Amino acid sequence: ETGVTQTPRHLVMGMTNKKSLKCEQHLGHNAMYWYKQSAKKPLELMFVYNFKEQTENNSVPSRFSPECPNSSHLFLHLHTLQPEDSALYLCASSQDFGTGWEGYTFGSGTRLTVV
Amino acid sequence: SQQGEEDPQALSIQEGENATMNCSYKTSINNLQWYRQNSGRGLVHLILIRSNEREKHSGRLRVTLDTSKKSSSLLITASRAADTASYFCATDGVNSGSRLTFGEGTQLTVNP
Repeated sequence: ETGVTQTPRHLVMGMTNKKSLKCEQHLGHNAMYWYKQSAKKPLELMFVYNFKEQTENNSVPSRFSPECPNSSHLFLHLHTLQPEDSALYLCASSQDFGTGWEGYTFGSGTRLTVV
Repeated sequence: SQQGEEDPQALSIQEGENATMNCSYKTSINNLQWYRQNSGRGLVHLILIRSNEREKHSGRLRVTLDTSKKSSSLLITASRAADTASYFCATDGVNSGSRLTFGEGTQLTVNP
C-alpha cells in the first residue's frame, strides 16, 4: 500500500449511468491529482487540487466532475460517459511544491470500462 | 510537442544485464523524476533528480541529468525478472509548480 487508496479497483458502467471514483490519502499531503491513462498514450492530467481548491482543469469534458471536500479525499463523479473514456484513472497526492519536494504518491488506480 | 519522451519504447534483456532508458524533454525544469508501473497498477516513485544535480544513485538505480541537452537516463544494474515493468520519466516545468508531465514510457522486459 502506498498510502493513497482508490476505490473501486474496477468499474464497468453503461453510458447512461452515474458513478463516482474515490481517492483517499492520510499522508498529510495537501495537493491531489486525477490522471487518465489510456492505452499507448501518456498520462493525461485532468484536475489538480491544492488545499482542497481546484487549481487546474485541463480542458476536461463536463461529464467528469471532481470534488474535493477536504485535503484527504478526492472524488471523480462520472455521468453520461463515452466508450472512449474507458481507461485507468489514477489519483496521486503530494506535499507542497518547493524545496524538498519529492514528487507524487499514486494510488493503484480504477480500471473503468464504459459499455 | 510532448514533454518527457522516453526511448526506447520497449526493451527486452536477460536477467543480470543492465538496462538503460532515456528521456528527453523540451522546456526548462525544476526536477525530473522516474516512476515505475507494473501492469494495470499505479505508478511508484523511484528517484528524483533536481535541475542542479548531474547524477544520483539509489540502490541499483543510477540517474543522470544533462540540462544542456534536456535529457536524462535511467540505468538499472544487474536486472532481475521482478524489474519487468513500464518506466516513465516526469518533469515539472519551471512555471508549472507541482504539475508533472509524463512521457509515454519504456516497457522493460527482463527474461529469467
